Amino acid sequence: NAGVTQTPKFQVLKTGQSMTLQCAQDMNHEYMSWYRQDPGMGLRLIHYSVGAGITDQGEVPNGYNVSRSTTEDFPLRLLSAAPSQTSVYFCASSELRSYEQYFGPGTRLTVT
Amino acid sequence: AQKITQTQPGMFVQEKEAVTLDCTYDTSDQSYGLFWYKQPSSGEMIFLIYQGSYDEQNATEGRYSLNFQKARKSANLVISASQLGDSAMYFCAMVLYNFNKFYFGSGTKLNVKP
Repeated sequence: NAGVTQTPKFQVLKTGQSMTLQCAQDMNHEYMSWYRQDPGMGLRLIHYSVGAGITDQGEVPNGYNVSRSTTEDFPLRLLSAAPSQTSVYFCASSELRSYEQYFGPGTRLTVT
Repeated sequence: AQKITQTQPGMFVQEKEAVTLDCTYDTSDQSYGLFWYKQPSSGEMIFLIYQGSYDEQNATEGRYSLNFQKARKSANLVISASQLGDSAMYFCAMVLYNFNKFYFGSGTKLNVKP
């Protein structure tokens, strides 16, 4: 039981490049979410999903896309990276209505 | 609009003493949950405690208790008998059940002194 896994752990992008951050969970959780953590600002919700085929926007969705084709996977796509997207990204999952979220180890992204 | 406010950017506590980390929240929803997470310097997020808006008793988990005052919209975390391993960032969070959305505060850095 691996819990929530994220890849890569570190990534450096140039402005304008696109990439996908991967997130997978093996706990059959319906709810999955993506956050970014910036210094002094805590975690902010980017996108979330309550089940396969269903996604919705969080607090800071601009510049990011998500899809949920399976229960297990919830990738986050950066369409055209900007320096303002330099952050640590966390994926999390939970049972719906439980809300005890299990977090992945995070991806540290730097955009130059 | 900021929904979770943690007014203590940093705190010190002596080992074995109790410490209270403050958290206030803002919502007009009646159905919500409140959480505390710990983030050590290694970076992972660790769930500590949960309180539902309809729970009448304060939640407790071992040395952690959540002092829930609904009328004041506060959800303070009390750590009893602090240990050196409690040194970390602590985040207060809220979920609005009707929207499935989580909101986090900016965190409090706790340092436990030997």
